[in-house]
Amino acid sequence: SYVLTQPPSVSVAPGETARIACGGNNIGSKSVHWYQQKAGQAPAVVIYYDRDRPSGIPQRFSGSNSGNSATLTISRVEAGDEADYYCQVWDRSSDHVVFGGGTKVTVL
Amino acid sequence: EVQLLESGGGLVQPGGSLRLSCAASGFTFGRYAMGWVRQTPGKGLQWVSSINNIGDNTYYADSVKGRFTISRDNSMNTVFLQVDSLRVEDTAVYYCAKDLHDYGDYRVGDVWGQGTTVTVSS
Repeated sequence: SYVLTQPPSVSVAPGETARIACGGNNIGSKSVHWYQQKAGQAPAVVIYYDRDRPSGIPQRFSGSNSGNSATLTISRVEAGDEADYYCQVWDRSSDHVVFGGGTKVTVL
Repeated sequence: EVQLLESGGGLVQPGGSLRLSCAASGFTFGRYAMGWVRQTPGKGLQWVSSINNIGDNTYYADSVKGRFTISRDNSMNTVFLQVDSLRVEDTAVYYCAKDLHDYGDYRVGDVWGQGTTVTVSS
């Protein structure tokens, strides 16, 4: 089955840039979606189809996807960005939705 | 406002059953695929099952196939997850989610409910 690998944690100072990687075999050939989950809340999509932002998501959130890695970038990080972030794809070969293990972003 | 409201969770013994429901409002329910995703306490997200907009295509994670059944009633704007032969490891918060695009199969959840908790314990 298809596996997505994320770093368990990323720490970043306010105002700096956080980059969260999501690794998978030839992930560049798939569409990657990113979710933000704050403590005690349901997940919410912040990037879909590699780089598109839902309405209401700040431009500080951006995505890219190529080769064996996709990246969620959060520019000018704010305290309110502290959350768990998950990448997700649909694997055509198994017809399964697959999530990465999640990355906890801590704002120092 | 688009909303999803899950219900039906609870405490059940190993081997038991529950029927989870997700009531939708604020959008044309019959146009959208729906999914169920669970989260074990303190752990990550795990896709469980999904169903296309008219209910004739269903998909399951390997860990639940043969034990869980997804269905929908478009006249009631509700998607269901029948969970049978429950195991301790099925203990989790179960979320339902609506697909971003109308028609087709579930690919990405753009609206999520607040979840319903299933606890499997003797």
